Order: sequence, then structure tokens, then C-alpha cells
Amino acid sequence: GAVVSQHPSWVICKSGTSVKIECRSLDFQATTMFWYRQFPKQSLMLMATSNEGSKATYEQGVEKDKFLINHASLTLSTLTVTSAHPEDSSFYICSARGEVGEKLFFGSGTQLSVL
Amino acid sequence: QKEVEQDPGPLSVPEGAIVSLNCTYSNSAFQYFMWYRQYSRKGPELLMYTYSSGNKEDGRFTAQVDKSSKYISLFIRDSQPSDSATYLCAMSARNFNKFYFGSGTKLNVKP
Repeated sequence: GAVVSQHPSWVICKSGTSVKIECRSLDFQATTMFWYRQFPKQSLMLMATSNEGSKATYEQGVEKDKFLINHASLTLSTLTVTSAHPEDSSFYICSARGEVGEKLFFGSGTQLSVL
Repeated sequence: QKEVEQDPGPLSVPEGAIVSLNCTYSNSAFQYFMWYRQYSRKGPELLMYTYSSGNKEDGRFTAQVDKSSKYISLFIRDSQPSDSATYLCAMSARNFNKFYFGSGTKLNVKP
């Protein structure tokens, strides 16, 4: 299957700082990438959808100024959590689909802990 | 009503048992169906992919789709302790603009 690389796998930061998470498709061109948030023992919560070269589409209730998404190339999308606070602590996962699109591949996830 | 319903479990079975995991859905436009396995604090891993109705087998795993009943299943034969994980079903319509996930079923295979 296709490989999606996500970094870092975990990050601890102080409240008020910004954190950037990278998501790369290693062996295919990702026309669309999705960012999810997952709380313990819960399913995936879609935060936003990003298409290469255009602005991300955010789900209702997700602050676009807090969660900045950039999808500048067909292999890279980034999520920046700006001015992070303890309530932003969570497991963030990216996923990507290729040009054909019917399959969705996930990164390994990033555990963010804000102190 | 949720787009996709999945029993959260947990489901506990002895090693070697046949496991049946299921999801129901409400949107008849869904045509692409996937099963993912997720270990704790890891990203979901694609296990099985099926287009439209029918069966698909891969090793110990069999995926079934019954579009008339809006019901999909994943069967695991000869279950192993390493199969202990959360299993997520997912589906999409032809436009692929959005993927809909079940809440996940936590499976525990006891040695």
C-alpha cells in the first residue's frame, strides 16, 4: 500500500507556542489530504480537508486561525497549531488519497501535549 | 442518525476464534468500503478495500458488502493476539470528497 509519513510522532510544548506537524505522501501524489483529531477511545474527528494549491475546507467548529493548514505540493501538507493551549492536547492524524482516490492512507499520527 | 454505525465493543475472543465485525450505513450513495486496523496511539492501517457489493478475501481476512441491506462485515479467521486492536470501517461515495468512519470496534484476542 501507499506510504504516508507524519512527523513528529509526539511533541511536548509550552502553552502559547506554535507547533507544526508535517504529512508527506512518499510514493504517490496526494491530491487531497485530510486532517483528523482523535481523543482517547474515540473515533476520528475530521478537522479539515485540503486540496493541493487551494485553501483548506474546515469542518464546523474548527477554528481555521488556530489550525493552519497548508498543502503547497502534491506530496506535503502541514498543520500548524498556533498559540497552543492545554485543551489542544490530542492525537492528530493526517491521511491522503491519490488521484484515483478510492483508498485513503493514514500517517502514523502525532501526539501533542501542551503544558 | 449517524451515517455509519458500528458497535464499539469491546469484543473479547479466545485465540483461534473466528471474529465478525460489522457496520451499517444509511447513505445508498456509498460505493467504496474499507476496513482499517488501528493499534493504540498509531495511525489506522488499511486492511481491506471493496468496491460495491460482494466478497473479498486476503489471507485470514474476508470483507463482505451487502448494499441491499446497507451492511458490511469483516471476518477474521484463526484470530491471533496480534489482531488485538480497534477496527474501523470507512466508506465513501464516488466523489471521494469525504470518507465516513464508524466509531471503531475494540477487539481483544486472548492467548
